[in-house]
Amino acid sequence: AQKITQTQPGMFVQEKEAVTLDCTYDTSDPSYGLFWYKQPSSGEMIFLIYQGSYDQQNATEGRYSLNFQKARKSANLVISASQLGDSAMYFCAMAGAGSYQLTFGKGTKLSVIP
Amino acid sequence: GAGVSQSPRYKVAKRGQDVALRCDPISGHVSLFWYQQALGQGPEFLTYFQNEAQLDKSGLPSDRFFAERPEGSVSTLKIQRTQQEDSAVYLCASSLVVAGGGHDTQYFGPGTRLTVL
Repeated sequence: AQKITQTQPGMFVQEKEAVTLDCTYDTSDPSYGLFWYKQPSSGEMIFLIYQGSYDQQNATEGRYSLNFQKARKSANLVISASQLGDSAMYFCAMAGAGSYQLTFGKGTKLSVIP
Repeated sequence: GAGVSQSPRYKVAKRGQDVALRCDPISGHVSLFWYQQALGQGPEFLTYFQNEAQLDKSGLPSDRFFAERPEGSVSTLKIQRTQQEDSAVYLCASSLVVAGGGHDTQYFGPGTRLTVL
């Protein structure tokens, strides 16, 4: 069984500042993938970034980076230079070895303050 | 279109009515998924198709839920005799390759918000 834990129900960040959204996971699979999605109020889940469990380097996509600490089973999302449009729900998710279904956390609501 | 589309975006049903939710995946995507997202929660897996074959329906909450993808493209999620606990957002996602051979990214549609009165 896989489990994703997001302990921050809500976060505030000043515009142009960086913010870290926490995610810890639990799995017995030796191979797995970790994903972050953004869900604005419109409802669509927007893919942000992916990290494979065997990837040697932390994933980066533009202003998004994933701080992957395998031993601690954490996969925190770092957003640099926050923008007002970053205000949304953020979900961490994982897929196990040979698995297709995503297991999601409960999400973190990020609010960017002007 | 370029992304996954779903219709209707909003559906209000009276308890006991049947509803049908449609998903148009990204063209050429082999895998299609349905998820249910309750208010304030993350999405939960319902079912998975590889082309027209439904390979996993373990997440469907009851036999009132039925999904199909007859031609390997458009999919329909049907809920019979709706109950208030069925109220949720139903998300459809698709991915390019056969899932299980790696961790291919799933791309989601905007969802259908179902409200059962």
